Amino acid sequence: GQSLEQPSEVTAVEGAIVQINCTYQTSGFYGLSWYQQHDGGAPTFLSYNALDGLEETGRFSSFLSRSDSYGYLLLQELQMKDSASYFCAVQAGNMLTFGGGTRLMVKP
Amino acid sequence: NAGVTQTPKFQVLKTGQSMTLQCAQDMNHEYMSWYRQDPGMGLRLIHYSVGAGITDQGEVPNGYNVSRSTTEDFPLRLLSAAPSQTSVYFCASSLQESTDTQYFGPGTRLTVL
Repeated sequence: GQSLEQPSEVTAVEGAIVQINCTYQTSGFYGLSWYQQHDGGAPTFLSYNALDGLEETGRFSSFLSRSDSYGYLLLQELQMKDSASYFCAVQAGNMLTFGGGTRLMVKP
Repeated sequence: NAGVTQTPKFQVLKTGQSMTLQCAQDMNHEYMSWYRQDPGMGLRLIHYSVGAGITDQGEVPNGYNVSRSTTEDFPLRLLSAAPSQTSVYFCASSLQESTDTQYFGPGTRLTVL
């Protein structure tokens, strides 16, 4: 089976940088994804890493180390609208398994 | 494109009742899936489908059935509702596989009394 660990909550101030870590255990690993979910909303896709290294998309970056079974999401220049839950997810075979989510609170 | 649509938005059932949650997508996606999300938790995969006529079980399939007679539709049936099935249900679709970007519907909030 698959299991993912991420912190349950992170707090940061507007304009700061925050890193949300994710460690995983899985068989047949294909890649690591990140999704954002605002309260009451549906998850939306942020990024996907299949290979080791850093992927940058605007203020968001995602990193993967396959040898360490570890990845992180980096959010820069935090804005109030970034307050949301962030989920890492692993693809293994035809299944996508999500972590428990990290609730990010951005304070003024 | 409407994307992924789900009906109903809200539903209250009594224990033992059955019902079908509807999910449809108009993006010609092959891969569709159903998740449930309990308060403060992540999403858990119930069932998924890699194409019309093909379905498979996810992590938590007990108490749920699915079918995929067309590419567009992927209904989820609760056979005999239990309070433990109180949750928010999300349907998602992607182009071909689980590795592709998943597009989620708005969710159905289900309460079982």
